[in-house]
Amino acid sequence: ETGVTQTPRHLVMGMTNKKSLKCEQHLGHNAMYWYKQSAKKPLELMFVYSLEERVENNSVPSRFSPECPNSSHLFLHLHTLQPEDSALYLCASSRFRGFHSPLHFGNGTRLTVT
Amino acid sequence: DQQVKQNSPSLSVQEGRISILNCDYTNSMFDYFLWYKKYPAEGPTFLISISSIKDKNEDGRFTVFLNKSAKHLSLHIVPSQPGDSAVYFCAALSGGATNKLIFGTGTLLAVQP
Repeated sequence: ETGVTQTPRHLVMGMTNKKSLKCEQHLGHNAMYWYKQSAKKPLELMFVYSLEERVENNSVPSRFSPECPNSSHLFLHLHTLQPEDSALYLCASSRFRGFHSPLHFGNGTRLTVT
Repeated sequence: DQQVKQNSPSLSVQEGRISILNCDYTNSMFDYFLWYKKYPAEGPTFLISISSIKDKNEDGRFTVFLNKSAKHLSLHIVPSQPGDSAVYFCAALSGGATNKLIFGTGTLLAVQP
């Protein structure tokens, strides 16, 4: 049990589909993150939420839309994706944003865009 | 341009021996460094960290060394165990107000029984 749960674990979608990734943390943390891991590339930070407010958007295309309804839940809404968006999407949380709080990651959603 | 580099994509070590994983960085503003371990089909898990005011931090079998002048850090695992086989990511952080970690590409460690 990692404390951070992501669903679904695998997702295959066409370029015209709309889908959502879900993340839930049971750690009482105040900050949540979306990361993208593509093959042979470093983990890339996409979005940061602190106390349910989006505090960072790392030039992510608008076809990715995050939502944080409360401090325990984080969503990533996907629409009209491209094949190059196929990757592992990781959610993470930390006690606070900054101040060297280690990130706790979920197991990720393996996304394939066809 | 990658600010955190792990130049060895893989490393193979015999059980009981030392594993040394290396990481180089380019940004002198980084002041905190972390190592994460990742098993297949799981997310990364935090392993050990070090502040730039230190040059060594030890936790059981794991020790991280920091050489600020060389902008280099390393993770030592002694003795290595087959369960240590995983991908190890180095990450760096600058400033205290944000938690924007910059990750390396990872090194796959295989510990042979």
